[in-house]
Amino acid sequence: AQSVTQPDIHITVSEGASLELRCNYSYGATPYLFWYVQSPGQGLQLLLKYFSGDTLVQGIKGFEAEFKRSQSSFNLRKPSVHWSDAAEYFCAVWRADSWGKLQFGAGTQVVVTP
Amino acid sequence: DTGVSQDPRHKITKRGQNVTFRCDPISEHNRLYWYRQTLGQGPEFLTYFQNEAQLEKSRLLSDRFSAERPKGSFSTLEIQRTEQGDSAMYLCASSPAGMVDEQFFGPGTRLTVL
Repeated sequence: AQSVTQPDIHITVSEGASLELRCNYSYGATPYLFWYVQSPGQGLQLLLKYFSGDTLVQGIKGFEAEFKRSQSSFNLRKPSVHWSDAAEYFCAVWRADSWGKLQFGAGTQVVVTP
Repeated sequence: DTGVSQDPRHKITKRGQNVTFRCDPISEHNRLYWYRQTLGQGPEFLTYFQNEAQLEKSRLLSDRFSAERPKGSFSTLEIQRTEQGDSAMYLCASSPAGMVDEQFFGPGTRLTVL
């Protein structure tokens, strides 16, 4: 069955430190992958997406993600975290076999300490 | 273009009451999705509209749930005889008609069933 796994439920990082959020997917077809961020009281905002081509994709707010087909992973990174990056982050796969609905991971909560 | 809007933002109701939520997608987006998000989880797909046609419904959508999208514009999600287990954030998203494309999310409606 298709699935999206985010192994880390909660990550605490110091402001200015680097951040990496893990995402693994299980999907038979070519995956179309997304990272969304959700701040308290806000809707989901797209950070970046991977459709094809260059496996390193750049997004907004200084985020990037690398698609590794051999590892079925799409990890999100940021070199230097800002306090405003505290939020919940969701990885999702676009289901081409089901009208393009998004299948989300359970999310990773990021806490940024001074 | 003001993005996807949802109304109300918060709804508190008593068990057994009916509630209705509204979603206004980005104009000219013919795809509309409803998701439900419970605490500590990623959004889960509920139903999908392409224009006015409801093309897929999740098994999460019991017979107490009904969704419409008359004229292919705004959409409503109604829950009849609410139960405490219906308490969640209900998210609406829209996207254009491309093969693979970003979904734009509204701020959500938080439902609390007492």
